[in-house]
Amino acid sequence: DQQVKQNSPSLSVQEGRISILNCDYTNSMFDYFLWYKKYPAEGPTFLISISSIKDKNEDGRFTVFLNKSAKHLSLHIVPSQPGDSAVYFCAAMGNYGQNFVFGPGTRLSVLP
Amino acid sequence: KAGVTQTPRYLIKTRGQQVTLSCSPISGHRSVSWYQQTPGQGLQFLFEYFSETQRNKGNFPGRFSGRQFSNSRSEMNVSTLELGDSALYLCASSLWTGVGNTIYFGEGSWLTVV
Repeated sequence: DQQVKQNSPSLSVQEGRISILNCDYTNSMFDYFLWYKKYPAEGPTFLISISSIKDKNEDGRFTVFLNKSAKHLSLHIVPSQPGDSAVYFCAAMGNYGQNFVFGPGTRLSVLP
Repeated sequence: KAGVTQTPRYLIKTRGQQVTLSCSPISGHRSVSWYQQTPGQGLQFLFEYFSETQRNKGNFPGRFSGRQFSNSRSEMNVSTLELGDSALYLCASSLWTGVGNTIYFGEGSWLTVV
């Protein structure tokens, strides 16, 4: 049973527009959420995180929103750039340590 | 500062052999965790070490083992390799263990089992 879900395997967005990547989770014990970006043949790169005590965290073009009651978070990228084209993983961590769970990823394509 | 370094980057093994992968964490980081990435399963947690002790373990068979040295460097070993073990193995490090800790990944070791 997938504890972290990213229901859109792929997403295409025009350059300059907003990219919205969604993530849902089932385990209410998760306390901390992270987004990673991954290019082919490279390890994931940390993007942004959010604690369960917050509902929004912003870092430059990246904003993560958390809706605890809905067990939903989203990553907004504004404006989207062609270099943002990658696979984006949502990850969730409980208060039991580093054993965090990844979603299956969403492949974002930003079209010039 | 240098990032997480994994060696070797690429390797090919035959079924039944064993393999050892190495990970050097970011300087000062004491926690090292290992993940397996396959196209079908995505990223899956293998285990985590902190101060030379295994803190957490994922749902992998006993053929997968690891250890951490006093300098925080870590090794992962897979014995009796199976074709299904072909994957990208990622190591990640962080300052300490626990919630709220940012985890940094290496570029991975690509293992092909033939």
